[in-house]
Amino acid sequence: GENVGLHLPTLSVQEGDNSIINCAYSNSASDYFIWYKQESGKGPQFIIDIRSNMDKRQGQRVTVLLNKTVKHLSLQIAATQPGDSAVYFCAENTYSGGSNYKLTFGKGTLLTVNP
Amino acid sequence: DTEVTQTPKHLVMGMTNKKSLKCEQHMGHRAMYWYKQKAKKPPELMFVYSYEKLSINESVPSRFSPECPNSSLLNLHLHALQPEDSALYLCASSPGQGARDEQFFGPGTRLTVL
Repeated sequence: GENVGLHLPTLSVQEGDNSIINCAYSNSASDYFIWYKQESGKGPQFIIDIRSNMDKRQGQRVTVLLNKTVKHLSLQIAATQPGDSAVYFCAENTYSGGSNYKLTFGKGTLLTVNP
Repeated sequence: DTEVTQTPKHLVMGMTNKKSLKCEQHMGHRAMYWYKQKAKKPPELMFVYSYEKLSINESVPSRFSPECPNSSLLNLHLHALQPEDSALYLCASSPGQGARDEQFFGPGTRLTVL
């Protein structure tokens, strides 16, 4: 079936560096993508989203890039801080029948920020 | 109020026990979700309720029984679970179940089945 996956399961960076987390998706009909951050012992927290009619969206210290040609998403975190250490999941909202959609998560990348 | 709350935070139960997980939101959302998450894995969808009706059941075993008493509450009734059902159970809600409806997650209930 369709799936969303990640290239790098772990990423270790120095504090202050920029981080890039990548995600590949396979459903070319997907219209909406979300990045979630999950800290240890907590539920996923929304970071940023992007619609398929965009190729870039910026938030506070985060940027999401969407390349529909190669079905690739990336999350860029500027000036990474220790508080950014977490597992990051990409997710796509896939059609599930009627007028309903459901989230399909990628495998996740563990980001570790070294002080 | 922009939170999804879940109770209890932790639950330990035997295989013959019956227990329930509870989820609540007061954001006026009309879609609510149960996910199961094993360690170091992504959340896996179990059930979706839309406008208090079961919209999706991802072929979940009948020992898990969801219930949506009203638009703010979602329960997951547990009976005769197996040790492999031990996981973090996440609840989420969204305005609707549309293509661009953002899901808000609760902190989860850590379930251990002995």
